[in-house]
Order: sequence, then C-alpha cells, then structure tokens
Amino acid sequence: EAGVTQFPSHSVIEKGQTVTLRCDPISGHDNLYWYRRVMGKEIKFLLHFVKESKQDESGMPNNRFLAERTGGTYSTLKVQPAELEDSGVYFCASSQLANTGELFFGEGSRLTVL
Amino acid sequence: AQSVTQLDSQVPVFEEAPVELRCNYSSSVSVYLFWYVQYPNQGLQLLLKYLSGSTLVKGINGFEAEFNKSQTSFHLRKPSVHISDTAEYFCAVSSGTYKYIFGTGTRLKVLA
Repeated sequence: EAGVTQFPSHSVIEKGQTVTLRCDPISGHDNLYWYRRVMGKEIKFLLHFVKESKQDESGMPNNRFLAERTGGTYSTLKVQPAELEDSGVYFCASSQLANTGELFFGEGSRLTVL
Repeated sequence: AQSVTQLDSQVPVFEEAPVELRCNYSSSVSVYLFWYVQYPNQGLQLLLKYLSGSTLVKGINGFEAEFNKSQTSFHLRKPSVHISDTAEYFCAVSSGTYKYIFGTGTRLKVLA
C-alpha cells in the first residue's frame, strides 16, 4: 500500500514567486492534514480536511496560503506570494480517524525562499 | 493550552549504550502522547503511542516510553542503540484531536 506522497521534495523560489505543493494521502483516508516545520522549531499544525471540506484552518499563517482538496482526494497548498519566512518543511499527513488515530506522514516538501 | 518540551536538541551516544530522550508536556486535559522518528530523507514515522491503559508503552525497533502523569513526562528509552537509530525524534501530544502539538525534536547521533 502506498504511503502519503508529497511533491516536490524540494523547491527553491525567489521572494514574491508562487509555489504549489501537492499531497496524495493514503487511499481511503478521508482526513488530510498539513503541518509545517520552520528551521529548528517545532512542527506546527496548519489545517485539516475531511474529504473536500476544510474542518479547521486555524493554523494557516495568513491569506497568502491557500489549501484545496478538490474531489476529496489529493490536496494542494499554494503560497502566493512567497516570503522569506515561509521557508521550511511542509508535511502532509492523513488518517482514517480524526481522533486518537495515528497520523501517517509524508516525507515533506522543503521550501526555500530566497 | 498544551505544550511539549524536548530539552535536549542533540544527544550523542555510543553504539550499544542505553539512551533516554526526554519529553515533558503541559496540558489541563487528558492527553494522548506520541513519539515519531524521522530518519534522514524520510517522512515522520510513528514509534509508539500512549492512549490509555498501561503506562509503559513498547514501540518499534526496541524503543519504549513511560507515561508519568505526576511528572507530566513521556521519556523515550532504548537499552542498546544501533548506528541505524541515528535520526531526529519528535514527541507530540494530543487532547484527542488531530491537532498534534510537537516538541522541537531531539537529534540522536549514535557513534561507532
């Protein structure tokens, strides 16, 4: 069974440009999450989808970040325009259950904004 | 509000020696506790979790952790480490939702 896959694994862009990160959850997992780790700091929650609906986006830093999950399958996270402080590793995770269940994480997408 | 503290950012240890990675948490409600590991160039992998029941939890790769409610700790231990255990380890807490609160991570470096 395929795990959570993320693309790209690493993206280097200049300040002001746009980047779109993609996440394919484990098949059958209705719950999809985005987390982010800024260099050397803790991994922080960004948002949660149940199927195609956003359940909680309280962790999104600002309106430059837009997450979508059309059709309830894969998800994208767009940063537009990117700023230096957006650099970090963006993790996607999925789960069958939204409580107590294990979160299955992808390898992360490393974003570097120059 | 919940928080997780991993005081040790880096822990060097010789191969076959025991190791303990410390994790303390703060929460006003009951919690679920997790340890994740990230090997180089890989994603986060669940090592073990405490949801309820026995306070001693055994995980994969010979790791175990003990939930201590009075000390609000969930330290991770392994009696004998291998080179392959070199990785970054993350402690996380949840109050039963998907919003995990992670610590800042501890880099375990196993020396030959």
